[in-house]
Amino acid sequence: QSVLTQPPSASGTPGQRVTISCSGSSSNIGGHVVNWYQQLPGTAPTLLIYSNNQRPSGIPDRFSGSKSGTSASLAISGLQSEDEALYHCASWDDDLNGWVFGGGTKLTVL
Amino acid sequence: QLQLQESGPGLVKPSETLSLTCTVSGDSISSSNHYWGWIRQSPGKGLEWIASIHYTAITYYNPSLRSRVTISLDASENQCSLKLKSVTAADTAVYYCARDRDYDDFDFWGQGTLVTVSS
Repeated sequence: QSVLTQPPSASGTPGQRVTISCSGSSSNIGGHVVNWYQQLPGTAPTLLIYSNNQRPSGIPDRFSGSKSGTSASLAISGLQSEDEALYHCASWDDDLNGWVFGGGTKLTVL
Repeated sequence: QLQLQESGPGLVKPSETLSLTCTVSGDSISSSNHYWGWIRQSPGKGLEWIASIHYTAITYYNPSLRSRVTISLDASENQCSLKLKSVTAADTAVYYCARDRDYDDFDFWGQGTLVTVSS
């Protein structure tokens, strides 16, 4: 059971906008930044969003992140087939004194 | 460009110790202000953080694994190592090393190495 809660799956058609939620508590998301990782099939995770809503160099602006209270969201607009991947959220947790992850959301592009 | 490469045996017997090494290039682990961490992913599961270490020897461990894990740095080889003792089948996973930006994120990851625990 992951500390952060994500839906196990999400889907959309090309061009659509999809959002993935990540729910936590005051000891993690409520007090620390959230980051998101994209894991394409058979590859290692890569940083997609950091500091709640910042994109590393090279990440298209179709990807955006937001945080409110103890929850965060990842939005993907203009969905493309290459966006089909596993998406993970993460944050630091003061109670555990360590990193916590969500269980991951598998995005399918129909 | 920062690169991380994990290495170690792909098969470990139950009750033995899993030992992995992460070789870092493009950054010096002894001068970087970052931490260096290990994360694993069991088959079909999500990511699980294991431990992180700074060159000043500050370490953080996942409480659920703390009693079995040791993380260390070798500045001369620019490597980060992980030891997990008394392994069981539940420790079968892909193990990743990553640069840990201290409360912020893991900005660079290795490609991962699959470790299977089986007799």
